[in-house]
Amino acid sequence: NAGVTQTPKFQVLKTGQSMTLQCAQDMNHEYMSWYRQDPGMGLRLIHYSVGAGITDQGEVPNGYNVSRSTTEDFPLRLLSAAPSQTSVYFCASSRPTRSSYNEQFFGPGTRLTVL
Amino acid sequence: AQTVTQSQPEMSVQEAETVTLSCTYDTSESNYYLFWYKQPPSRQMILVIRQEAYKQQNATENRFSVNFQKAAKSFSLKISDSQLGDTAMYFCAFGTQGGSEKLVFGKGTKLTVNP
Repeated sequence: NAGVTQTPKFQVLKTGQSMTLQCAQDMNHEYMSWYRQDPGMGLRLIHYSVGAGITDQGEVPNGYNVSRSTTEDFPLRLLSAAPSQTSVYFCASSRPTRSSYNEQFFGPGTRLTVL
Repeated sequence: AQTVTQSQPEMSVQEAETVTLSCTYDTSESNYYLFWYKQPPSRQMILVIRQEAYKQQNATENRFSVNFQKAAKSFSLKISDSQLGDTAMYFCAFGTQGGSEKLVFGKGTKLTVNP
């Protein structure tokens, strides 16, 4: 298993450009999430999905779009990049359970710089 | 809403000694999980240890153990026999039962192990 993969690893954008950060997992996990990590801020939840066709907003959703057409993929779209979106982005996946907790598996991250 | 607070932005320890990282949290949930994640310079998020709130016994994983004080909403991580490879950012995180798609992270503690 490749686990959770993210592409690209690094990206530089100009203000106003759009792009899509890709995330894929091969563990048949229903849950997938996107976080951003800023210096001194820890990881903050952007959007998450509990299954194909179902997405919801996290703590910091503004400026980002997501969709989940398949179980495997959960792309994150920046429609008009802003310098405030300079960050490291992590995708994560997990298997749902009602009665306990299953570990979230994280991808290697994408470092995005918006000039 | 849940909050997680790590009050020590940076810490250092000598190799082979013991260090304790602090974490407090706030929640009105009764069933939840607490985690410590390690992020080395490679940026990969690695689960170190987890604690189920309904379990009174503190979790241990080799050299890593926690002191979970539910009433005080405190969850500290003790690293024994510190090794150079323990140098990393450490994040405390909170998750609700069945909510593995939505972790709440603290801001992190940068731990340096000195030779």
